[in-house]
Formats: sequence, structure tokens, C-alpha cells
Amino acid sequence: ETGVTQTPRHLVMGMTNKKSLKCEQHLGHNAMYWYKQSAKKPLELMFVYSLEERVENNSVPSRFSPECPNSSHLFLHLHTLQPEDSALYLCASSQDPIAPGGWVSYEQYFGPGTRLTVT
Amino acid sequence: AQKVTQAQTEISVVEKEDVTLDCVYETRDTTYYLFWYKQPPSGELVFLIRRNSFDEQNEISGRYSWNFQKSTSSFNFTITASQVVDSAVYFCALSTSGAGSYQLTFGKGTKLSVIP
Repeated sequence: ETGVTQTPRHLVMGMTNKKSLKCEQHLGHNAMYWYKQSAKKPLELMFVYSLEERVENNSVPSRFSPECPNSSHLFLHLHTLQPEDSALYLCASSQDPIAPGGWVSYEQYFGPGTRLTVT
Repeated sequence: AQKVTQAQTEISVVEKEDVTLDCVYETRDTTYYLFWYKQPPSGELVFLIRRNSFDEQNEISGRYSWNFQKSTSSFNFTITASQVVDSAVYFCALSTSGAGSYQLTFGKGTKLSVIP
């Protein structure tokens, strides 16, 4: 497989369920991201991992728990979600922008997303 | 604070027409990067272009062209001879070292519909 893959593509869960979203990148990148895309809102960055360490957490509720076991895989563990958490969850990867020569912002490559519905 | 404004929420054009999508950005940083992404109905964001703040040359790639003007803080995207496959939501995004090195600030997107 190439690029960034995400599973499942669609997920319906109740508020008391626990589920996990999976992301895998085959691009040799060392930074990975979770975004949330809700209707009529800009994309919201949730978490960033660089070299398997979390480097950003944008005030995301604790019912979302990320995990990055290695540079190719990223998970988002979900528990006791609310209906307003229904959205498209996108994973992305890129080369790390922090380099010895300074900061460079590289393009991020996105997966197809997981459409999450919380009932 | 960083901000990206895409004032056009939705645009409809007839196939083969040219269309320009506007993007205006705000930042106090002198070093920054601008991006355009395409999101077709399938949902996946597709990277189109990256431009850094020191390179004001316009770029053309096939039917796509980009006009970067620092004087007006704009980075507009033109599709020439539009096709039905161009129908998608297009996002402009901004990245600056001052905002947190990993942060991409997205605009709200412009939905383009190309009518056959």
C-alpha cells in the first residue's frame, strides 16, 4: 500500500462504547497528525507526534487518547464520546519541520478519513 | 495570531470556464508557508502546492496556477478550462514557525462545482 491509510472508514458508536481509529503511513515520514473536520468548521488540529513523541495537544478532551507506537502507526482511542464528536477524523503525516538547519514546513499528506457518528 | 480567509464559500462554473479561488492570510511572521489542498467528495485532502514567503514567483502546473502577492497577503488559485473532476472543496492553509511549528491554519474552504 502507498500513502496514508485509515481504518475503519466509517464508524457508528454509542456514547458508552470504546473504539479505536487506526492510521498507517508508508511515506517514511516522522511526524503524524490527527485532525477533526466538522461540518462548516475549519479543520482542527488535535494531536501531533514527532518521532513517536507527542509534541502538541490542542486542548482536546480526555475522551480522545492518541497513541503512536512507531513512526508509521498512529491510533486514536475513543471512549465515552458525545454526539458533538461526530465528524470526519483525518490522519496526516509529513517530514518533521524541525531540522538541524532550522524550521521548514513540509506538506502534509492525508488519509481518506474515518467518518464517525456518535449516537 | 494566524488567520486564513477564503471569502468564497461556494462557486459554480460551467465546464471549460476559468475560475479563481481567493485566499487571504494574516500573520506577523516573516517566514511562513502557504498551501493549497483539494478535498474531493471521497474525503481525502490532496496536496496541491506549497510556497514559502520568500518565493513570490507565480507557479503554473498544467491547468492550475497560483498567484502569490505579499503586498496584499493573498495566495489565489486559478483553474483554467475547468473540468467536472475539479469539483471539490479547496482549502488554503498557512504555517508559521511562530504559531507552533506543526500547526497548519486552514481556511474554511471554497466548494467548487463544475457543471457539465
